[in-house]
This record gives sequence, C-alpha cells and structure tokens, in this order.
Amino acid sequence: EVQLLESGGGLVQPGGSLRLSCAASGFTFSNYAMTWVRQAPGKGLEWVSSISDSGGNTFYADSVKGRFTISRDNSKNTLYLQMKSLRAEDTAVYYCAQDTGAFDIWGQGTMVTVSS
Amino acid sequence: QAGLTQPPSVSKGLRQTATLTCTGNSNNVGNQGAAWLQQHQGHPPKLLSYRNNNRPSGISERLSASRSGNTVSLTITGLQPEDEADYYCSAWDSSLSVWVFGGGTKLTVL
Repeated sequence: EVQLLESGGGLVQPGGSLRLSCAASGFTFSNYAMTWVRQAPGKGLEWVSSISDSGGNTFYADSVKGRFTISRDNSKNTLYLQMKSLRAEDTAVYYCAQDTGAFDIWGQGTMVTVSS
Repeated sequence: QAGLTQPPSVSKGLRQTATLTCTGNSNNVGNQGAAWLQQHQGHPPKLLSYRNNNRPSGISERLSASRSGNTVSLTITGLQPEDEADYYCSAWDSSLSVWVFGGGTKLTVL
C-alpha cells in the first residue's frame, strides 16, 4: 500500500525550530519529486516547498524562503522539512505529498502550532 | 505569489449538476493545465483529476474536468451527499517556478 506518514509536529515558541519528517512506503521513493503543503486552521491549502527526485532541485514559497529547508534521504525513503525562525502564521497542518505533476498521494498531516 | 481564483462557495440540489471554476494565467493554468483536489473536513486532500481531464483510478465518472484558456472547470453530475466538500485547484507556475493553489470552493449539496 502506498503510504506517506508525517511526524515531528508540535507546539513551539515563536522564533523556534522544528523538523518535520515524512516516511514513504509502497512505492520507489527515489523516483518521485515530493512536496510539502500546509493548511492553517480554517484556511485553504498553501504550497510550501518541493524537491526533485534526486534532491538536486528545491523550490520554496516566498513566505518560507530563507527560513525553511526541504531535503530528502532516498536511502531512508524519508522527506524532511527543517523549519527555523517560526512565526505564529506558520501554524498549520503540514502535509507531504507525492509530486508527479499533480499531488497524487497525501499523508495524514502533522500539526505545527507556533505560540508562546 | 498570487494564487488561482475560485468562487468561495457553490450550492446545488441533490442529483443536480455543479460546475466549479478556477482561473489562473498563461504561466500556470493556461500553460501547464491544472489539477483538482477534494477535501472533506478533517481529512487530507484527494486528487480528483490532473492535466485538465485525467482521472486517477477509483474516481467517479460523474466527475469531469476541462480547460478553456486560463480557466479550468470541474463538473460533477448527479450530486450526492458525499460530494459535499471543499474543492481546490492547483497548477505549476512555469514563470515563477512555484506551485499555486486556488482559495478553494465549498460545495454544498442541498
């Protein structure tokens, strides 16, 4: 079964850091680009960042550029999102998604709350 | 990074037909096409169609998508209670090298 499982969310103070992980199974992880999408409470979907299948190309939304870093370990079938200098407006459910030119497979999401 | 434009809400009766729209520009929808996603409350999004009118396996034939210029549409026929959800469009913007989403349309089945 194709599956994505996010972890690493939680409560963090403004200015703090957090690293999210997304464990993939059921497909050849190294063949696919991957993406992080977030959804603030009661709001719509917002693209955060994408990474190519090899990890050689990365892309970021302006709202997170310079603060977030996407990476992957194809030997561990895992996608990461390192988040620094977190702000209240980063509070959201963070989803990872398989990127085939459309977002085919989604994880269940992990909640990140930035609050003092 | 401006997003795609969707109407906030659409309401239709049971067994009626609903058409949802999503407008972008020539760098995203007009160039790369768009995908449609469905999200029920408390659940992750689910891909309904991609590259304008390709349906993943398991997606109902009551759903069809099309594109005209910089606008894509999702038509759902024979509306059922389970179609009540939020619908999002997404597209790659080749000029900005970013993904863009629409703000979402809440479909209510009366």
